Amino acid sequence: GIQVEQSPPDLILQEGANSTLRCNFSDSVNNLQWFHQNPWGQLINLFYIPSGTKQNGRLSATTVATERYSLLYISSSQTTDSGVYFCAASGGYQKVTFGIGTKLQVIP
Amino acid sequence: NAGVTQTPKFRVLKTGQSMTLLCAQDMNHEYMYWYRQDPGMGLRLIHYSVGEGTTAKGEVPDGYNVSRLKKQNFLLGLESAAPSQTSVYFCASSALAGRLSYEQYFGPGTRLTVT
Repeated sequence: GIQVEQSPPDLILQEGANSTLRCNFSDSVNNLQWFHQNPWGQLINLFYIPSGTKQNGRLSATTVATERYSLLYISSSQTTDSGVYFCAASGGYQKVTFGIGTKLQVIP
Repeated sequence: NAGVTQTPKFRVLKTGQSMTLLCAQDMNHEYMYWYRQDPGMGLRLIHYSVGEGTTAKGEVPDGYNVSRLKKQNFLLGLESAAPSQTSVYFCASSALAGRLSYEQYFGPGTRLTVT
């Protein structure tokens, strides 16, 4: 199956700072998602982005499928951005593989 | 739309007891999934279903059974619970028929403790 690696594993930011999270995957994908797991454990869909670039407010994501990586950008971070960010990928509807996540802490 | 719902939200079992977790979705999705999440780890796929009456094994299927008798429901069963099954269980669904999108939508999770 597809292997998914995320970096960095941990990140501490001052409120207002920008950050980039990376997701590398081992094979071609047609499903690539970014999730935010908030401190209450809820998984929130951020982006469905098997290729290309999308933006949603302060967040944006880019997937370069030919080079097998995806980036999640967080600008002007806020304390509510804290939590764990997961990348998940698959070649189809089955065997979706999650990375182990990037734990983000935004301090005031 | 309620999206994906899970019952119960919390449960404590004793070793050897059985239970069923229920997942329901109202988005008319074809595919449904059960995952478990352990501390410090990502989600791992237990079983999945590509349609009513069909199920398949995922990455960590041992000790679990599933059924999908209705399109909107996906049940996860533990026949004889073990402490190693202490985890948070998430259900997800995806894919309208004929649509080439595999975006998954998750339920709120069930926190299960086996003592």
